[in-house]
Amino acid sequence: GEDVEQSLFLSVREGDSSVINCTYTDSSSTYLYWYKQEPGAGLQLLTYIFSNMDMKQDQRLTVLLNKKDKHLSLRIADTQTGDSAIYFCAENHILTGGGNKLTFGTGTQLKVEL
Amino acid sequence: AAGVIQSPRHLIKEKRETATLKCYPIPRHDTVYWYQQGPGQDPQFLISFYEKMQSDKGSIPDRFSAQQFSDYHSELNMSSLELGDSALYFCASTERPNTEAFFGQGTRLTVV
Repeated sequence: GEDVEQSLFLSVREGDSSVINCTYTDSSSTYLYWYKQEPGAGLQLLTYIFSNMDMKQDQRLTVLLNKKDKHLSLRIADTQTGDSAIYFCAENHILTGGGNKLTFGTGTQLKVEL
Repeated sequence: AAGVIQSPRHLIKEKRETATLKCYPIPRHDTVYWYQQGPGQDPQFLISFYEKMQSDKGSIPDRFSAQQFSDYHSELNMSSLELGDSALYFCASTERPNTEAFFGQGTRLTVV
């Protein structure tokens, strides 16, 4: 089945680290993604991780993948007010006709306070 | 770098009217996906095309249809619009199967 879950809200102080969690159910997913969406804007690809990796670091972003527990997390170091947005995790499913389909989580609203 | 282009950015239609949304993928991307995002909702997959052929169908109403043209751009046609069709419609493209998907800015459709 395809089901991706996230907590709805996270509030952190500027300068602290943020950790956004996601659980998924499709063990055949080969890529897992994190997207950022600012109010009224499109989905911006932040980072992704291949399923045979357990960690990926990209500047302030660290993605951890626990494939056994089907748990994905995004850590943002030194969180800034500009990081306030909704963060979606997404898992991909390879389609028989080619291409892949992304299934999104419910999104986590990150609020960064001064 | 070129991104996914969607047009129009905003569209207001009346109930029972028809709307056409356009998506221009990143050059050399052969796969296009359409998603619908209602207010406060996560994006829901509608339909996808790979090499100009439909590759998968999600929760797309029968009133909607889509196609991918020879230049790889795609159009989503929506007929007999209902108030509940008001949403942000995203298009995404990938260079080849199983690679990262890049999204357009979306078309905000309001049905009144």
